[in-house]
Amino acid sequence: DAGVIQSPRHEVTEMGQEVTLRCKPISGHNSLFWYRQTMMRGLELLIYFNNNVPIDDSGMPEDRFSAKMPNASFSTLKIQPSEPRDSAVYFCASSFGAVWYEQYFGPGTRLTVT
Amino acid sequence: AQSVAQPEDQVNVAEGNPLTVKCTYSVSGNPYLFWYVQYPNRGLQFLLKYITGDNLVKGSYGFEAEFNKSQTSFHLKKPSALVSDSALYFCAVRDIRQGTYKYIFGTGTRLKVLA
Repeated sequence: DAGVIQSPRHEVTEMGQEVTLRCKPISGHNSLFWYRQTMMRGLELLIYFNNNVPIDDSGMPEDRFSAKMPNASFSTLKIQPSEPRDSAVYFCASSFGAVWYEQYFGPGTRLTVT
Repeated sequence: AQSVAQPEDQVNVAEGNPLTVKCTYSVSGNPYLFWYVQYPNRGLQFLLKYITGDNLVKGSYGFEAEFNKSQTSFHLKKPSALVSDSALYFCAVRDIRQGTYKYIFGTGTRLKVLA
């Protein structure tokens, strides 16, 4: 298995532009998580899907952030408009839904907003 | 509230010495506990987990963790540290309150193994 796939790996954009991050979970996993990691705030859960349905989006910073999971093999995280404080590494992770399963993380997307 | 705490921001240990990275938890109900490691510029990697059963759990790369219910702790251990073990380590608990199965991560502990 190729593991969790994220694209792009690096993204540099200007303030105000739209940014779309993509994730392909491990085949068969039915839970998907988006995280953000910064030095200041550490690892933050943004949103969590189960069976393609958003279960908990309480970590989404504000309305500029949105996430979708149109099918079991694809998810996007969109920031519109982007701001310099959105600069971070964004991770996608997937898991089986049962409570005893671990998560598998993708390599992350390093976003820089200038 | 469900939570985990990693009281040490950084742990330094000499190569060949035993290492311990501490984690304490607060959950209602049975805890589902996990350890992850993050190497520079990489995603988190699963090391081991405690679900039920033996209090000593063995995982990848020679790591193990001891579940202690009375002390609500789940410390990560390794008998002999390697320089290559230097990384950021996260403890996590699965939040099993009704309607949410999200993971709650600690703030991370940076392990530095000195040659």
